Amino acid sequence: NAGVMQNPRHLVRRRGQEARLRCSPMKGHSHVYWYRQLPEEGLKFMVYLQKENIIDESGMPKERFSAEFPKEGPSILRIQQVVRGDSAAYFCASSSPPNYGYTFGSGTRLTVV
Amino acid sequence: KQEVTQIPAALSVPEGENLVLNCSFTDSAIYNLQWFRQDPGKGLTSLLLIQSSQREQTSGRLNASLDKSSGRSTLYIAASQPGDSATYLCAVIEGGATNKLIFGTGTLLAVQP
Repeated sequence: NAGVMQNPRHLVRRRGQEARLRCSPMKGHSHVYWYRQLPEEGLKFMVYLQKENIIDESGMPKERFSAEFPKEGPSILRIQQVVRGDSAAYFCASSSPPNYGYTFGSGTRLTVV
Repeated sequence: KQEVTQIPAALSVPEGENLVLNCSFTDSAIYNLQWFRQDPGKGLTSLLLIQSSQREQTSGRLNASLDKSSGRSTLYIAASQPGDSATYLCAVIEGGATNKLIFGTGTLLAVQP
């Protein structure tokens, strides 16, 4: 069991470009959560998805950010027209069912230059 | 709104000491509570998961307790080692439709050899 796989580990984007972050949950897990960790801050919830459905996106910025978890393939967190303030570590977690706890990936560290 | 607080924010101890990390939460209607450790620049490693019906969980030198009524959890680390140096994060799992994690601010632990 390879655990939760995130790629890329590090991503550098220029202001205005798009960033696409990928997350493959643990085998058998159908719940995916994305969290963001800003420098010197704690982990903040962004979005919760199940296959083909967004369940809770209350933590997502209203603009430029979107997420999906298609029937086939990894979950994608997409950030359009990145700005310097988007620089952070983005973590994905999976669970199934939730009361069994969460397993986190190693994260994607996004740097906007 | 659920808020999770961890004290102390930072702790430095000599090797071999037993120590206690504290976590408090404002809304006792939680589903579960999970403790993680995070090494610098790395992802989150799950340490212990306490379900709401449980009072404590143990794994090796770690013991976590949960008192829902008072909104508190403690993580006890016995015979600390330099390899225990990391940031320790407490997270409560909210009940309801999303079961999302709400993280505390973390305790940065340094164990001096």
